[in-house]
Amino acid sequence: ETGVTQSPTHLIKTRGQQVTLRCSSQSGHNTVSWYQQALGQGPQFIFQYYREEENGRGNFPPRFSGLQFPNYSSELNVNALELDDSALYLCASSLGAGGVYGYTFGSGTRLTVV
Amino acid sequence: LAKTTQPISMDSYEGQEVNITCSHNNIATNDYITWYQQFPSQGPRFIIQGYKTKVTNEVASLFIPADRKSSTLSLPRVSLSDTAVYYCLVGDGGYNTDKLIFGTGTRLQVFP
Repeated sequence: ETGVTQSPTHLIKTRGQQVTLRCSSQSGHNTVSWYQQALGQGPQFIFQYYREEENGRGNFPPRFSGLQFPNYSSELNVNALELDDSALYLCASSLGAGGVYGYTFGSGTRLTVV
Repeated sequence: LAKTTQPISMDSYEGQEVNITCSHNNIATNDYITWYQQFPSQGPRFIIQGYKTKVTNEVASLFIPADRKSSTLSLPRVSLSDTAVYYCLVGDGGYNTDKLIFGTGTRLQVFP
């Protein structure tokens, strides 16, 4: 059974650019959640996708958007990057939307905006 | 959403038992309590989950009193590799309700 895979592992972008982060969910999981984690802080919920539809969104602006594909993999897109978007972006997959059986997290993508 | 409160940091020595308590005064009837462990530059890792009384697995034990307003994660005989941030979360796992909401966690430092 494979875990959650995220790509790329590190990324440097310039302010104003756009970025796409990718996530392959764990085998058998149908739900993907995205989190932003700033240095020294707990992960902050961005949004969740359940069976290809957005199922809840945290307090993030519309320039944060996402997709989930039929194989349950997912993308996080961020437009008009700002310096404060620099963070570790985590993807978590689960069986079911609420994660009663536990979420499996990837190792994250470290995004640096300069 | 049930909010949780944990100590910001704890120190321990190798071989000791560590107990991290989490307060969740407004936990709902359907909420589960879940603990995650996170190492630097890695995603959180599921440790243990419970609803009431006591749950034990190969890594930890989770104690939940009858009123469920708090819970205690117990790590037996910690080692240096247990140095990490530990998060307590509550949620009911429902389709249209809670998502995982993380607080700032408890930073555990284990010394030799």
